[in-house]
Amino acid sequence: ETGVTQTPRHLVMGMTNKKSLKCEQHLGHNAMYWYKQSAKKPLELMFVYSLEERVENNSVPSRFSPECPNSSHLFLHLHTLQPEDSALYLCASSLSRGQGNEKLFFGSGTQLSVL
Amino acid sequence: LAKTTQPISMDSYEGQEVNITCSHNNIATNDYITWYQQFPSQGPRFIIQGYKTKVTNEVASLFIPADRKSSTLSLPRVSLSDTAVYYCLVGLILTGGGNKLTFGTGTQLKVEL
Repeated sequence: ETGVTQTPRHLVMGMTNKKSLKCEQHLGHNAMYWYKQSAKKPLELMFVYSLEERVENNSVPSRFSPECPNSSHLFLHLHTLQPEDSALYLCASSLSRGQGNEKLFFGSGTQLSVL
Repeated sequence: LAKTTQPISMDSYEGQEVNITCSHNNIATNDYITWYQQFPSQGPRFIIQGYKTKVTNEVASLFIPADRKSSTLSLPRVSLSDTAVYYCLVGLILTGGGNKLTFGTGTQLKVEL
């Protein structure tokens, strides 16, 4: 266990559905991240939150909407997704935004399939 | 931006030592070098981190030369369960237009009997 929990573990949704991914960290960290990993591709950074404030939006389409109500919880709201959005969505946390020596702690991810 | 370059893949046999090298020519003064391991359909897991010279923990060693433009992850006596993708990540500082938490392609290590 890494201290970062993601739910659901698997999700299948239609292109017109609205769903949300949830991430919770029990490490007392102040920064949280969403990454996307498509099949056999590197991780792509999507969003970064530090102390509940979004500090990075890596040119992600508006059909992905993040929410960070507190430093322990992070959500990714999904609506009108496309089949190419099917991927493993990973949440991570770190103690702070980065002093050069931060370590990322990842959840197990949500495997998303868009039909 | 501290870009990293690693071999795409490596093959080894059980019991052998595996060394994976990462190049990071434009590493910044404050950057640390961190290695992660990822199994299929799971999130990456922290292995080891270092700034210079040599760092060793219970699972790996990290060798960093004086110029810090490269680093080598050393896995002693690998087993089948070490088959995974290994990522080298340099720095974690977030500034406007500065370093981003970008993972490279990683190195796919395959260990056979």
